[in-house]
Amino acid sequence: EPEVTQTPSHQVTQMGQEVILRCVPISNHLYFYWYRQILGQKVEFLVSFYNNEISEKSEIFDDQFSVERPDGSNFTLKIRSTKLEDSAMYFCASREMTYEQYFGPGTRLTVT
Amino acid sequence: AQKVTQAQTEISVVEKEDVTLDCVYETRDTTYYLFWYKQPPSGELVFLIRRNSFDEQNEISGRYSWNFQKSTSSFNFTITASQVVDSAVYFCALSEPIYGQNFVFGPGTRLSVLP
Repeated sequence: EPEVTQTPSHQVTQMGQEVILRCVPISNHLYFYWYRQILGQKVEFLVSFYNNEISEKSEIFDDQFSVERPDGSNFTLKIRSTKLEDSAMYFCASREMTYEQYFGPGTRLTVT
Repeated sequence: AQKVTQAQTEISVVEKEDVTLDCVYETRDTTYYLFWYKQPPSGELVFLIRRNSFDEQNEISGRYSWNFQKSTSSFNFTITASQVVDSAVYFCALSEPIYGQNFVFGPGTRLSVLP
């Protein structure tokens, strides 16, 4: 069964460093999403992406964040200069025309 | 505005007890989708069920059942004869076409099933 994959599963970085979180959505999906979950809290929407552009973003998704679909398979989230409060689990999701989003296993980002 | 409330922060039950997790949502749209996800200690989000706003039929899947009531904007989840493996955080979520199907998650309910 096709699934969304994310790499790495755990990333440790120092404050101020740039990180890129990678996702491979399900191949025929058209809509892509990033969500964030700070430890012990709820899952929060960051950004949605369709037709090679951002379709919607939340207040969390400020200028430090960017997304890209550099080729036909990967979907990346870049944090330009990480802060301690960026430590969280980041989930990628994708969907086709139906309304069910398929979530990846998540990348745990730890900023020290 | 979209909003999902899960009033129970934590629930503890003894194995084999039945337990109901509450979910109340707010939406102004007539077309929307409701979901339940399970998050075990390993952290991934496990899809349990999707329900659209036009389908109020309750659903049963093994030990799991869901009660969708539009009149009270609730989508409650019941686990019958709970097991230790059911211990996890459970999230209710709402998505609407007018918001690009972005998910709004509730705060989650941590369920502990004790042996």
